[in-house]
Amino acid sequence: NAGVTQTPKFQVLKTGQSMTLQCAQDMNHNSMYWYRQDPGMGLRLIYYSASEGTTDKGEVPNGYNVSRLNKREFSLRLESAAPSQTSVYFCASSEVQGDNEQFFGPGTRLTVL
Amino acid sequence: GENVEQHPSTLSVQEGDSAVIKCTYSDSASNYFPWYKQELGKRPQLIIDIRSNVGEKKDQRIAVTLNKTAKHFSLHITETQPEDSAVYFCAPRPGGAQKLVFGQGTRLTINP
Repeated sequence: NAGVTQTPKFQVLKTGQSMTLQCAQDMNHNSMYWYRQDPGMGLRLIYYSASEGTTDKGEVPNGYNVSRLNKREFSLRLESAAPSQTSVYFCASSEVQGDNEQFFGPGTRLTVL
Repeated sequence: GENVEQHPSTLSVQEGDSAVIKCTYSDSASNYFPWYKQELGKRPQLIIDIRSNVGEKKDQRIAVTLNKTAKHFSLHITETQPEDSAVYFCAPRPGGAQKLVFGQGTRLTINP
């Protein structure tokens, strides 16, 4: 089992460019989440998907869109990247909506110049 | 929304001593209280959790205690070791929510 995987591991963008961060899990989990982590701060929820076919905004959704492609995959898109979106992005999944352990991917380090 | 605060933000203890980190939350309907550990450059991982019908849970050197009346829960690490050095996050689940709200983290350093 690979658990939760994320691609890419690192990315550098210029302001205004777009990109999609990919996340996949092989644990047959219903719920998936996208977080961002800035230096010295906790994890802030961007969007989540409680189950296949549903998505909801988290704490900091502005500037992002998501797609729950199927039960395994949950992608995060930056349509027009800004320097304020420089961060480490973590994807996570859990078996039961928010009640059980969240398993995290290795993270994507994104720099926007 | 749920307000979560952790104290202290940094903690330095001698190897072998105990460490305690406290997390306060605002939603009285919160019903799930996990602690995550994040080592430098790594992903967060669950180390212990507790549900609202339990006051204390222990797993070897780590324990979590819950005070629902006062709306706080604490992580206790005994006989600290160098590998305990990390950032620790509390992440209570607000009542009726399908997500966790993470605290800002506590950086724990174990001094040899």
